[in-house]
Amino acid sequence: NAGVTQTPKFRILKIGQSMTLQCAQDMNHNYMYWYRQDPGMGLKLIYYSVGAGITDKGEVPNGYNVSRSTTEDFPLRLELAAPSQTSVYFCASSYSTGYTFGSGTRLTVV
Amino acid sequence: AQTVTQSQPEMSVQDAETVTLSCTYDTSENNYYLFWYKQPPSRQMILVIRQEAYKQQNATENRFSVNFQKAAKSFSLKISDSQLGDTAMYFCASSYSGAGSYQLTFGKGTKLSVIP
Repeated sequence: NAGVTQTPKFRILKIGQSMTLQCAQDMNHNYMYWYRQDPGMGLKLIYYSVGAGITDKGEVPNGYNVSRSTTEDFPLRLELAAPSQTSVYFCASSYSTGYTFGSGTRLTVV
Repeated sequence: AQTVTQSQPEMSVQDAETVTLSCTYDTSENNYYLFWYKQPPSRQMILVIRQEAYKQQNATENRFSVNFQKAAKSFSLKISDSQLGDTAMYFCASSYSGAGSYQLTFGKGTKLSVIP
């Protein structure tokens, strides 16, 4: 049982480049989330989804986009990367309040 | 909106001793949940303990227990018989079922060091 799989684990982007962080879960969870964790801070919600085809903004959505075409996948798209997006990104899924987190993606924008 | 505050950025404890991490929260919801997560250097988020707000009894999980004071909106974590493997960041978090999801709100974390 893989749980929540995030790829890549590390990435360095140049300012203005774009990329997609992949997230997949195999637990048939309806709810999926993207968080970012800045140094010395807690996790902040970027976007979330309550099911395939349904997404909504969290606390810090600017500069990001998401889609949810299947129950399993919830990719996060960064357009025009900026240094302020340097962070560790976590994907999570849940059935009610039983959360499973991915291992995170460390992204550096230079 | 929910807020979670952890007022202790760093703490240390001798191994085998007991330590308490503080957390306060604010919410207008009646049905909510509280959590403590552990994040070791591997950065994996590991659930330590969870409390349903409607339950008056404090949750326990082996060496970990909470002191849930609903009226004071306080949710502290007690770690007994601390071990070197407890060294990690600890995050307090809350969630509720508003807007049809269970999004978590996190505090800024407390860095706990267990000293041999």
